Amino acid sequence: DIQMTQSPSSLSASVGDRVTITCRASQGINAWFAWYQQKPDKAPKSLIYATSNLESGVPSRFSGSGSGTDFTLTISSLQPEDFATYYCQQYGSYPPTFGGGTKVEIK
Amino acid sequence: EVQLLESGGGLVQPGGSLRLSCAGSGFTFSNYALNWVRQAPGKGLEWVSSIFGSDGSTYYADSVKGRFTISRDNSRNTVYLQMNTLRAEDTAVYYCAKAWGSVSYYIDYWGQGTLVTVSS
Repeated sequence: DIQMTQSPSSLSASVGDRVTITCRASQGINAWFAWYQQKPDKAPKSLIYATSNLESGVPSRFSGSGSGTDFTLTISSLQPEDFATYYCQQYGSYPPTFGGGTKVEIK
Repeated sequence: EVQLLESGGGLVQPGGSLRLSCAGSGFTFSNYALNWVRQAPGKGLEWVSSIFGSDGSTYYADSVKGRFTISRDNSRNTVYLQMNTLRAEDTAVYYCAKAWGSVSYYIDYWGQGTLVTVSS
């Protein structure tokens, strides 16, 4: 199985900050890579698919990039509603696997 | 609007069984793969099982293989997860999740989740 390691596991940032979350795969994967956002006591929400494509309705301050083993989620200007935990997922290799999550707290 | 509504969660003793249901609406149900993803209390997301829309092929995480069975009834727009020989470590919120296509593990819509508690 491909292991996904997210970093950091948590971070604290101010409104307006640029935030970057990284996910590293245990082996090279193709572009079938996604990011999800989960707010407390809510179901996850899909943000980005195929490494860099935003789901409909997702604000443009979110972006994704990467290739090989290293993938990144960037929030260009953090907003109060972005307080959440973010998960990466590779879905190109069976079984699909998730990262451990990154909790983003607002300073 | 895509909606997924899970039901069937609850408290069950170790070794017991439970069947989860998920009713989908707002999309052509038979055309899409459906997934179950779980989240233990305070933990991250774990893929549990998938059933493809194209041919009904089924797939399972090693942690549930041989104990859980996923199935679908396209006439009822419903996917099921039969869970047998439940263990304490199966305690989690179980999310039903629609895949992007008929043969895909990418999830574009999630249900609200149903809590399964395995305890004596």
